[in-house]
Amino acid sequence: DTAVSQTPKYLVTQMGNDKSIKCEQNLGHDTMYWYKQDSKKFLKIMFSYNNKELIINETVPNRFSPKSPDKAHLNLHINSLELGDSAVYFCASSHPLAETGQTGELFFGEGSRLTVL
Amino acid sequence: GIQVEQSPPDLILQEGANSTLRCNFSDSVNNLQWFHQNPWGQLINLFYIPSGTKQNGRLSATTVATERYSLLYISSSQTTDSGVYFCAVETYSGAGSYQLTFGKGTKLSVIP
Repeated sequence: DTAVSQTPKYLVTQMGNDKSIKCEQNLGHDTMYWYKQDSKKFLKIMFSYNNKELIINETVPNRFSPKSPDKAHLNLHINSLELGDSAVYFCASSHPLAETGQTGELFFGEGSRLTVL
Repeated sequence: GIQVEQSPPDLILQEGANSTLRCNFSDSVNNLQWFHQNPWGQLINLFYIPSGTKQNGRLSATTVATERYSLLYISSSQTTDSGVYFCAVETYSGAGSYQLTFGKGTKLSVIP
Protein backbone atom coordinates (compact mmCIF):
# COMPACT_ATOMS: atom_id res chain seq x y z
CA ASP A 1 0.00 0.00 0.00
CA THR A 2 1.31 3.42 -0.94
CA ALA A 3 1.96 5.52 2.16
CA VAL A 4 2.12 9.00 0.60
CA SER A 5 0.62 9.27 -2.86
CA GLN A 6 0.54 12.23 -5.22
CA THR A 7 -1.33 12.83 -8.44
CA PRO A 8 -0.54 13.53 -11.16
CA LYS A 9 3.04 12.27 -11.43
CA TYR A 10 3.66 14.30 -14.57
CA LEU A 11 2.10 17.59 -15.59
CA VAL A 12 2.91 19.52 -18.75
CA THR A 13 1.12 22.81 -19.23
CA GLN A 14 1.33 26.25 -20.79
CA MET A 15 2.37 29.46 -19.08
CA GLY A 16 -0.55 31.26 -17.52
CA ASN A 17 -2.58 28.14 -16.79
CA ASP A 18 -3.79 27.06 -13.36
CA LYS A 19 -3.05 23.54 -12.10
CA SER A 20 -3.44 21.45 -8.97
CA ILE A 21 -1.50 18.60 -7.43
CA LYS A 22 -3.18 16.32 -4.92
CA CYS A 23 -1.60 14.44 -2.04
CA GLU A 24 -2.94 11.82 0.33
CA GLN A 25 -1.26 9.90 3.14
CA ASN A 26 -2.50 6.75 4.88
CA LEU A 27 0.10 6.74 7.66
CA GLY A 28 -2.10 8.49 10.19
CA HIS A 29 0.38 11.38 10.40
CA ASP A 30 -0.65 14.76 11.74
CA THR A 31 1.63 16.90 9.61
CA MET A 32 1.94 17.21 5.86
CA TYR A 33 4.33 19.24 3.72
CA TRP A 34 5.03 20.48 0.24
CA TYR A 35 8.63 20.62 -0.93
CA LYS A 36 10.00 21.93 -4.21
CA GLN A 37 13.01 20.31 -5.88
CA ASP A 38 14.62 22.46 -8.55
CA SER A 39 16.67 21.40 -11.56
CA LYS A 40 19.82 21.27 -9.42
CA LYS A 41 18.11 18.81 -7.05
CA PHE A 42 17.90 21.35 -4.23
CA LEU A 43 14.99 20.58 -1.88
CA LYS A 44 13.23 23.45 -0.15
CA ILE A 45 10.15 23.46 2.02
CA MET A 46 7.19 25.46 0.81
CA PHE A 47 4.40 24.76 3.29
CA SER A 48 3.51 22.55 6.21
CA TYR A 49 0.14 21.81 7.74
CA ASN A 50 -0.59 20.26 11.10
CA ASN A 51 -4.10 18.89 11.51
CA LYS A 52 -5.37 21.13 8.69
CA GLU A 53 -3.70 24.23 10.16
CA LEU A 54 -0.99 26.09 8.23
CA ILE A 55 2.24 26.00 10.24
CA ILE A 56 5.02 26.91 7.84
CA ASN A 57 4.62 29.22 4.89
CA GLU A 58 7.98 29.94 3.36
CA THR A 59 8.62 32.77 0.95
CA VAL A 60 6.57 31.41 -1.88
CA PRO A 61 4.62 33.53 -4.42
CA ASN A 62 0.98 33.80 -3.44
CA ARG A 63 0.12 32.15 -6.75
CA PHE A 64 0.75 28.95 -4.74
CA SER A 65 -2.12 28.09 -2.43
CA PRO A 66 -2.19 24.93 -0.31
CA LYS A 67 -5.41 23.46 0.96
CA SER A 68 -5.90 20.76 3.55
CA PRO A 69 -9.48 19.44 3.70
CA ASP A 70 -8.49 16.95 6.41
CA LYS A 71 -5.27 15.77 7.99
CA ALA A 72 -4.82 12.99 5.43
CA HIS A 73 -4.90 15.31 2.42
CA LEU A 74 -2.89 18.31 1.32
CA ASN A 75 -3.40 19.77 -2.13
CA LEU A 76 -1.39 22.42 -3.94
CA HIS A 77 -3.00 24.81 -6.37
CA ILE A 78 -0.87 27.02 -8.61
CA ASN A 79 -2.31 29.99 -10.47
CA SER A 80 -0.88 31.74 -13.51
CA LEU A 81 1.96 29.28 -14.01
CA GLU A 82 5.36 30.67 -14.96
CA LEU A 83 8.38 29.02 -16.59
CA GLY A 84 10.26 29.18 -13.27
CA ASP A 85 7.62 27.01 -11.62
CA SER A 86 8.94 24.00 -13.53
CA ALA A 87 10.24 21.61 -10.89
CA VAL A 88 9.42 18.41 -9.05
CA TYR A 89 6.98 18.96 -6.20
CA PHE A 90 7.12 16.50 -3.33
CA CYS A 91 4.46 15.95 -0.75
CA ALA A 92 5.60 14.51 2.58
CA SER A 93 4.17 13.63 5.95
CA SER A 94 5.41 13.03 9.46
CA HIS A 95 4.15 12.42 12.96
CA PRO A 96 5.66 15.11 15.20
CA LEU A 97 7.15 13.97 18.49
CA ALA A 98 4.59 14.46 21.25
CA GLU A 99 7.12 15.67 23.84
CA THR A 100 8.84 18.31 21.75
CA GLY A 101 6.83 18.97 18.60
CA GLN A 102 9.85 18.12 16.46
CA THR A 103 9.22 16.87 12.97
CA GLY A 104 9.66 13.12 13.34
CA GLU A 105 10.63 10.84 10.48
CA LEU A 106 9.68 12.33 7.15
CA PHE A 107 8.06 10.20 4.45
CA PHE A 108 7.88 11.46 0.88
CA GLY A 109 5.52 10.83 -1.97
CA GLU A 110 6.90 9.94 -5.40
CA GLY A 111 6.89 13.51 -6.63
CA SER A 112 4.98 15.39 -9.32
CA ARG A 113 7.10 16.69 -12.18
CA LEU A 114 5.66 19.97 -13.44
CA THR A 115 6.84 21.33 -16.78
CA VAL A 116 5.68 24.77 -17.84
CA LEU A 117 6.11 25.58 -21.54
CA GLY B 1 19.66 30.58 8.45
CA ILE B 2 21.54 27.37 9.06
CA GLN B 3 24.01 26.18 6.44
CA VAL B 4 24.21 22.50 5.54
CA GLU B 5 27.18 21.32 3.51
CA GLN B 6 27.58 17.85 2.13
CA SER B 7 30.75 16.34 0.77
CA PRO B 8 31.82 15.14 -1.64
CA PRO B 9 29.32 16.52 -4.16
CA ASP B 10 29.98 13.61 -6.50
CA LEU B 11 31.37 10.14 -5.90
CA ILE B 12 32.02 7.24 -8.25
CA LEU B 13 32.61 3.83 -6.72
CA GLN B 14 33.38 0.39 -8.01
CA GLU B 15 30.83 -2.15 -6.86
CA GLY B 16 31.97 -3.67 -3.57
CA ALA B 17 33.84 -0.59 -2.37
CA ASN B 18 33.10 1.28 0.87
CA SER B 19 32.48 5.00 1.21
CA THR B 20 31.81 7.74 3.72
CA LEU B 21 29.57 10.72 3.03
CA ARG B 22 29.78 13.76 5.25
CA CYS B 23 27.26 16.40 6.36
CA ASN B 24 28.43 19.51 8.19
CA PHE B 25 26.06 22.07 9.65
CA SER B 26 26.69 25.57 10.89
CA ASP B 27 24.60 25.68 14.08
CA SER B 28 23.00 23.51 16.74
CA VAL B 29 20.23 21.29 15.47
CA ASN B 30 17.41 19.38 17.08
CA ASN B 31 17.60 16.44 14.75
CA LEU B 32 19.10 15.08 11.55
CA GLN B 33 17.81 12.76 8.86
CA TRP B 34 19.49 11.05 5.90
CA PHE B 35 17.60 10.35 2.69
CA HIS B 36 18.37 8.49 -0.51
CA GLN B 37 16.91 9.68 -3.81
CA ASN B 38 17.13 6.83 -6.29
CA PRO B 39 17.63 7.34 -10.03
CA TRP B 40 13.83 7.21 -10.47
CA GLY B 41 13.42 10.19 -8.16
CA GLN B 42 11.98 8.46 -5.11
CA LEU B 43 13.09 9.88 -1.75
CA ILE B 44 13.56 7.23 0.92
CA ASN B 45 14.21 7.93 4.58
CA LEU B 46 17.38 6.11 5.66
CA PHE B 47 18.09 7.31 9.18
CA TYR B 48 16.58 9.54 11.82
CA ILE B 49 19.65 10.25 13.90
CA PRO B 50 19.98 13.26 16.23
CA SER B 51 23.07 11.73 17.84
CA GLY B 52 24.99 8.50 18.16
CA THR B 53 25.26 5.67 15.66
CA LYS B 54 22.64 3.58 13.91
CA GLN B 55 23.01 0.68 11.51
CA ASN B 56 20.71 -0.72 8.88
CA GLY B 57 22.23 -3.53 6.84
CA ARG B 58 25.18 -2.24 4.85
CA LEU B 59 24.44 1.35 5.83
CA SER B 60 25.25 3.08 9.06
CA ALA B 61 25.17 6.67 10.25
CA THR B 62 26.87 8.59 13.01
CA THR B 63 25.94 12.06 14.21
CA VAL B 64 28.20 14.07 16.51
CA ALA B 65 25.90 16.96 17.30
CA THR B 66 28.39 18.78 19.53
CA GLU B 67 30.83 18.94 16.61
CA ARG B 68 28.10 19.67 14.08
CA TYR B 69 28.55 16.83 11.63
CA SER B 70 27.09 13.54 10.57
CA LEU B 71 28.57 10.69 8.54
CA LEU B 72 26.86 8.10 6.38
CA TYR B 73 28.81 4.89 5.76
CA ILE B 74 28.04 2.62 2.85
CA SER B 75 29.83 -0.71 2.88
CA SER B 76 30.12 -3.23 0.04
CA SER B 77 28.36 -0.83 -2.30
CA GLN B 78 25.94 -2.15 -4.91
CA THR B 79 24.64 -0.58 -8.11
CA THR B 80 21.29 -0.11 -6.39
CA ASP B 81 22.99 2.32 -3.98
CA SER B 82 23.36 4.81 -6.82
CA GLY B 83 21.48 8.07 -6.50
CA VAL B 84 21.68 11.23 -4.44
CA TYR B 85 22.09 11.16 -0.67
CA PHE B 86 20.65 14.09 1.24
CA CYS B 87 21.21 15.15 4.79
CA ALA B 88 18.52 17.31 6.41
CA VAL B 89 18.84 19.11 9.73
CA GLU B 90 15.99 20.21 11.91
CA THR B 91 15.89 23.59 13.62
CA TYR B 92 13.30 25.50 15.58
CA SER B 93 11.56 28.00 13.31
CA GLY B 94 9.44 29.77 15.92
CA ALA B 95 5.84 29.59 17.16
CA GLY B 96 6.27 25.99 18.25
CA SER B 97 7.24 24.69 14.83
CA TYR B 98 10.34 23.00 13.47
CA GLN B 99 11.57 22.67 9.94
CA LEU B 100 14.10 20.69 7.96
CA THR B 101 16.86 22.31 5.91
CA PHE B 102 18.39 20.08 3.27
CA GLY B 103 21.96 19.94 2.04
CA LYS B 104 22.66 19.92 -1.69
CA GLY B 105 23.32 16.20 -1.68
CA THR B 106 26.06 13.79 -2.67
CA LYS B 107 25.55 12.11 -6.01
CA LEU B 108 26.79 8.53 -5.83
CA SER B 109 27.36 6.37 -8.88
CA VAL B 110 28.24 2.72 -8.29
CA ILE B 111 29.62 1.01 -11.37
CA PRO B 112 29.75 -2.78 -11.90
